[in-house]
Amino acid sequence: NAGVTQTPKFRILKIGQSMTLQCTQDMNHNYMYWYRQDPGMGLKLIYYSVGAGITDKGEVPNGYNVSRSTTEDFPLRLELAAPSQTSVYFCASSPPRALNTEAFFGQGTRLTVV
Amino acid sequence: TQLLEQSPQFLSIQEGENLTVYCNSSSVFSSLQWYRQEPGEGPVLLVTVVTGGEVKKLKRLTFQFGDARKDSSLHITAAQPGDTGLYLCAGARGGSARQLTFGSGTQLTVLP
Repeated sequence: NAGVTQTPKFRILKIGQSMTLQCTQDMNHNYMYWYRQDPGMGLKLIYYSVGAGITDKGEVPNGYNVSRSTTEDFPLRLELAAPSQTSVYFCASSPPRALNTEAFFGQGTRLTVV
Repeated sequence: TQLLEQSPQFLSIQEGENLTVYCNSSSVFSSLQWYRQEPGEGPVLLVTVVTGGEVKKLKRLTFQFGDARKDSSLHITAAQPGDTGLYLCAGARGGSARQLTFGSGTQLTVLP
C-alpha cells in the first residue's frame, strides 16, 4: 500500500534554477496539500487542491506553483529557486468523506538551495 | 492567521516518567489533531478530538480537547524510548478547504 509518494527525497539546487517536486497518491483522495517544514516552525501550507483542476493558495505560496490535472498527482513547481526556499517539503492528502480533515503525509523532500 | 502555540518546545525525560504537552490558541477550531513525526518521515496521525472537553486514550497516551475548543493537551504515562519523536498539534477550520493549522511542535526525547 503505497499511500502518498514523493520524489525526489533529496535535492540540491543552485540559486535561480527550477525544479518540480512530484507527489502522487493511490488512495483516491480528493484533497491534496503541499507544506513546507522549517526547523522549529511547524508546517506551513503552500498550496492545496480540493480536486482535479482546482487549486488554491495557502499561507506561503510566493515562489511556488502547482497543478492538479489528475486526482492522483499534485506536483509543486519552483521556478527561480532562492535560499529562502531551503526546507523540507511534505505532500499530503485527505479522503473525500473524512469527518475531520485527517491528513496522510508523504516522506518529504529535503531541498537545499545554494 | 490562526496560531497554535505548543509547549514545551523541547522535552528530555527518563524512561518511566510522565509528561504533558500543551497546545494553545486564541482561536476556536472545529477539531484538533495530534501527529507524531520521526526523523526522515512525514507526520502520522495519532488522534482527532472534536467535542469540547473530549478525552481520548490511545494506550499510554491521553488526549484532551479544551471545553472552549481552543486548546488541547497530550499526556504520556510511563514514557518509553519508542515515544521519542516530534509531536505536532493541528487545528482544523470549518468549510470545504479542510485546511490545517499546525503548531511548531514538541521534540520529545525519552532516555533509556
